[in-house]
Amino acid sequence: AQRVTQPEKLLSVFKGAPVELKCNYSYSGSPELFWYVQYSRQRLQLLLRHISRESIKGFTADLNKGETSFHLKKPFAQEEDSAMYYCALMMDRRQGAQKLVFGQGTRLTINP
Amino acid sequence: NAGVMQNPRHLVRRRGQEARLRCSPMKGHSHVYWYRQLPEEGLKFMVYLQKENIIDESGMPKERFSAEFPKEGPSILRIQQVVRGDSAAYFCASSPRAPGVQETQYFGPGTRLLVL
Repeated sequence: AQRVTQPEKLLSVFKGAPVELKCNYSYSGSPELFWYVQYSRQRLQLLLRHISRESIKGFTADLNKGETSFHLKKPFAQEEDSAMYYCALMMDRRQGAQKLVFGQGTRLTINP
Repeated sequence: NAGVMQNPRHLVRRRGQEARLRCSPMKGHSHVYWYRQLPEEGLKFMVYLQKENIIDESGMPKERFSAEFPKEGPSILRIQQVVRGDSAAYFCASSPRAPGVQETQYFGPGTRLLVL
């Protein structure tokens, strides 16, 4: 069965330090991976997707099919990065499945 | 564009009552998804609807839960005879078209249901 695992519920780093939020997935088909972010008192919003291979707010994530991972990274953390981060998997669209499978989330706290 | 709207934002019900959660998708969006987030867990897919059609309800509990997305008006998630285990945050998301490459789901603020 498809599954997304975020092993860290809480992650705390100092401002300016590198950040890596881990995400591993389990899916036999061709997945699409996403990172969503929820800032305090705001709604869940898309941060980035692996298809776009883009960098948003300094964050990048590379899909590693061999390790079935999609870790989120940022070289220098900023205080405004403090938020809840969710990794999500969308199953192969060709099979008609549109739902997102979410990890449990990682609460990132950036200390000044 | 006001974004995806959900109401109420907070709902308190006693065991055995009915809960109705509403979701108005973004303007121009005709696809709606409902997710449930239990305490300390991630969001879990419940149902995917298009106008007047349920496309995928594989995440919906078989009893007491139903969803609709009528031609006019918001999508409604209905929970009959609520139990304490239904206490959760219920999120709605919408997307603009039949999903394809670059489709994005836009999320509402959620409805927090508390069953006493």
